[in-house]
Amino acid sequence: AQKVTQAQTEISVVEKEDVTLDCVYETRDTTYYLFWYKQPPSGELVFLIRRNSFDEQNEISGRYSWNFQKSTSSFNFTITASQVVDSAVYFCALGGYNTDKLIFGTGTRLQVFP
Amino acid sequence: KAGVTQTPRYLIKTRGQQVTLSCSPISGHRSVSWYQQTPGQGLQFLFEYFSETQRNKGNFPGRFSGRQFSNSRSEMNVSTLELGDSALYLCATRLAGGTDTQYFGPGTRLTVL
Repeated sequence: AQKVTQAQTEISVVEKEDVTLDCVYETRDTTYYLFWYKQPPSGELVFLIRRNSFDEQNEISGRYSWNFQKSTSSFNFTITASQVVDSAVYFCALGGYNTDKLIFGTGTRLQVFP
Repeated sequence: KAGVTQTPRYLIKTRGQQVTLSCSPISGHRSVSWYQQTPGQGLQFLFEYFSETQRNKGNFPGRFSGRQFSNSRSEMNVSTLELGDSALYLCATRLAGGTDTQYFGPGTRLTVL
């Protein structure tokens, strides 16, 4: 069965702190995709990053970085120097090959205080 | 480039009624998926369409149905509404089925009274 676990329900930080959001996934597929989406209060899911299962290279994109480790089935997401505008619910999602179906975690609510 | 459009944005219905929600994809996108988001169940996949064909369906009762038109626009219908159908319904679109990233619309918030 496919499953995504986001153990952190809510995280509160002060502006400029770094914050890491954890994501653990389960799948039997050999080819899959991992995503992070952000959902601000407006409700729209905003795409942040995507990683393919065959590419474990970790990257940095602006203030965002991610750590993908197949050995531990984890896909953690880090925001450096957090800002108030980063306050939102963050979802980790697992996708398969040739299907639109995404399996979402339960989300982590991030609150960044000034 | 315009994003994914969903109409209406808000809807209030009563139990037993039916509702139709619409999703217009980003220009050029041919694949459309629908998701239901509730506080209790989180984000759950409803169905996906590509080239007017339903390719996959989530674990929802037959009251939930959808379709896709030749211009890739999609509609989903919920018949005989129940209180538990109150949710944010999100659609997501992408260029083609498979490996492209899905982009989500703003959602339709349905309240069933």
